[in-house]
Amino acid sequence: EVQLLESGGDLVQPGGSLRLSCAASGFTFSNYAMSWVRQAPGKRLEWVAGVTDDGLHTYHTDSVKGRFTISRDNSKNTLDLQMDSLRDEDTALYYCAKSPLRLCSGGRCYAFDHWGRGTLVTVRS
Amino acid sequence: EIVMTQSPATLSVSPGERATLSCRASQSVSSNLAWYQLKPGQAPRLLIYGASTRATGIPARFSGSASGTEFTLTISSLQSEDFAVYYCQQYNYFITFGQGTRLEIK
Repeated sequence: EVQLLESGGDLVQPGGSLRLSCAASGFTFSNYAMSWVRQAPGKRLEWVAGVTDDGLHTYHTDSVKGRFTISRDNSKNTLDLQMDSLRDEDTALYYCAKSPLRLCSGGRCYAFDHWGRGTLVTVRS
Repeated sequence: EIVMTQSPATLSVSPGERATLSCRASQSVSSNLAWYQLKPGQAPRLLIYGASTRATGIPARFSGSASGTEFTLTISSLQSEDFAVYYCQQYNYFITFGQGTRLEIK
């Protein structure tokens, strides 16, 4: 059974940093692209960042470029999201999500076939 | 960015009845459209991908269809566990989501 367990969410002040982690089990982690998706209060879901199966290629949405960094450790079956220079608008529930195949090819991506339950990040002074 | 628009925002339906949820894309996404079910405290669940293909383990009462840039999720004979929030997602050009439809008990 595929399991994705997020951790690391917390209350942090604007300008602060946080590192989210996702522990994966139940599948061959190194074979699949992974992503972080967030949902701010009252807002729609937003794809934040994605990484290819080998960790060599990443995607970050414009609003987090230069502040957030997605990475993975295939030896530990973990996915991380380093979040720096946090802003109020980064407050959200952050989900770890698995792709059924590659991340994207020429902009064509894939649906997420498994998700975690999320970890809450609150940015507030 | 491809904008996904869902309607209605809230849908009230009685158990046992049919629910029809809509999603419109601002431009063509081919059949690269998925539907998810979200419940508080639970992991989101993939219901439909490729506009009409049920994901593994999804009951047959869930079905998806497409007509151009208009997509529909139909839940026939609603069960109590089906009352949740539903999101559509396009993945034809990167990934964007609709704003969600809350399906509530009438």
